[in-house]
Amino acid sequence: GAVVSQHPSRVICKSGTSVKIECRSLDFQATTMFWYRQFPKQSLMLMATSNEGSKATYEQGVEKDKFLINHASLTLSTLTVTSAHPEDSSFYICSARPQGRGDYNEQFFGPGTRLTVL
Amino acid sequence: GENVEQHPSTLSVQEGDSAVIKCTYSDSASNYFPWYKQELGKRPQLIIDIRSNVGEKKDQRIAVTLNKTAKHFSLHITETQPEDSAVYFCAASSRGGYNKLIFGAGTRLAVHP
Repeated sequence: GAVVSQHPSRVICKSGTSVKIECRSLDFQATTMFWYRQFPKQSLMLMATSNEGSKATYEQGVEKDKFLINHASLTLSTLTVTSAHPEDSSFYICSARPQGRGDYNEQFFGPGTRLTVL
Repeated sequence: GENVEQHPSTLSVQEGDSAVIKCTYSDSASNYFPWYKQELGKRPQLIIDIRSNVGEKKDQRIAVTLNKTAKHFSLHITETQPEDSAVYFCAASSRGGYNKLIFGAGTRLAVHP
C-alpha cells in the first residue's frame, strides 16, 4: 500500500511553454501533498505544500505564479511550470501524506519527473 | 529558519565496515526524523525513522540514534554491502506548516568490494 505515481516521468519542452505534472496517490487519500525540486547532486528542496480544497503554501523564494499547484481531489495534485526556461530544468518529486493515519508525519514519494527545458 | 545539517557529504568504506552519518537540526519542535536512501534517478526510499519519544531504533543492519538535547541524530549501517552504495538523506519535521520535512544536504556513500 501507500503508492504514489507521477506523470509524466520525463518531459522535454521548448523555452516559454508550460508543463503540467500530475501526482496521484493510488491506494490512499491524501489531504496534504508536497512538491520538491532536486537539482543534480543536490538535496530535495521543498517548493510548496498542497492541501486539498485550499491554496498551496509556497516556500520562501518560490514564485507561486510560475509554479501553479492545484490539489483538486484527495488523490490528485498537479504542478504546472508556466513559461518554462532552461533554469527550470530539474527533477520534480511529489510526496503524499495519508489521511487519518497514526503516522501523521510519514510521506510517500512519487517516482519523480525529469523536466528538460530547451 | 529551520535547518538540517548533514555530515559527511561523501563517505567511502570497505565492504563489511560500518558507516555513520550524522545530522543536526535547529527546530526544537521537530518530532519526526526519517532517513531516506536515493539511487540515481530514483525516488527517495524510507529506510528507517525515529520519533522524538525514542532514543534509538534498529532494523537489522540499520540503526538510528536521537539526542534531543543536542538536536542531533545519526544513521548507523553495519556490515556494509556494495548495494548500500547510494545517497542518504536525513530529514526533520517542522511544525511550521503541515509538518513538512526539512532535508539535509545528503551523504554519498560508496561501499567498495
